Amino acid sequence: DAGITQSPRHKVTETGTPVTLRCHQTENHRYMYWYRQDPGHGLRLIHYSYGVKDTDKGEVSDGYSVSRSKTEDFLLTLESATSSQTSVYFCAISATTNTEAFFGQGTRLTVV
Amino acid sequence: GENVEQHPSTLSVQEGDSAVIKCTYSDSASNYFPWYKQELGKRPQLIIDIRSNVGEKKDQRIAVTLNKTAKHFSLHITETQPEDSAVYFCAASRGGTSYGKLTFGQGTILTVHP
Repeated sequence: DAGITQSPRHKVTETGTPVTLRCHQTENHRYMYWYRQDPGHGLRLIHYSYGVKDTDKGEVSDGYSVSRSKTEDFLLTLESATSSQTSVYFCAISATTNTEAFFGQGTRLTVV
Repeated sequence: GENVEQHPSTLSVQEGDSAVIKCTYSDSASNYFPWYKQELGKRPQLIIDIRSNVGEKKDQRIAVTLNKTAKHFSLHITETQPEDSAVYFCAASRGGTSYGKLTFGQGTILTVHP
């Protein structure tokens, strides 16, 4: 398996609190992605990064921000968590834009 | 942006039958089309991919076909086995720094009955 780790794996948080999810890779891949997975919606892109400090929005970026200060770490922050952000979050990495993306184990986030 | 539609959302077959999942995409500049398999409670994993300069690709029991003119691609699984039961996702990407993001379809739940 590719060296990609998400933390935490599970989190329960209250509405209105900020939450940060971490994705850490040891593959030195340039591209990193955050997706959320919800029943009936597949995997939807939140934000992605194509280099250190280079990020762009995906299709469901409202309410989320990201940062990438080092090649190996990509942080996803929910600025003020809402119940609609209850989901499973996957981080993925790839060396280039048209090669295999490797996924982390996922983070199950529940906002109560 | 890119939009990927995947059908059917659920597919039930008998062991040994073939299964076909179809996807359409909207961006004619997309040039990379991977398929991922996700078993229950696990992460998605690549099973096969195809690039726009190729019309068909096979790997043992699985194959993918691409029709660029019609902007659709399909996954074919032959001689299905119970361990093929999973959620399958198609995706599309046009490559390039700013556009190289994978857009996924909604997924197909495949159930193979023994």
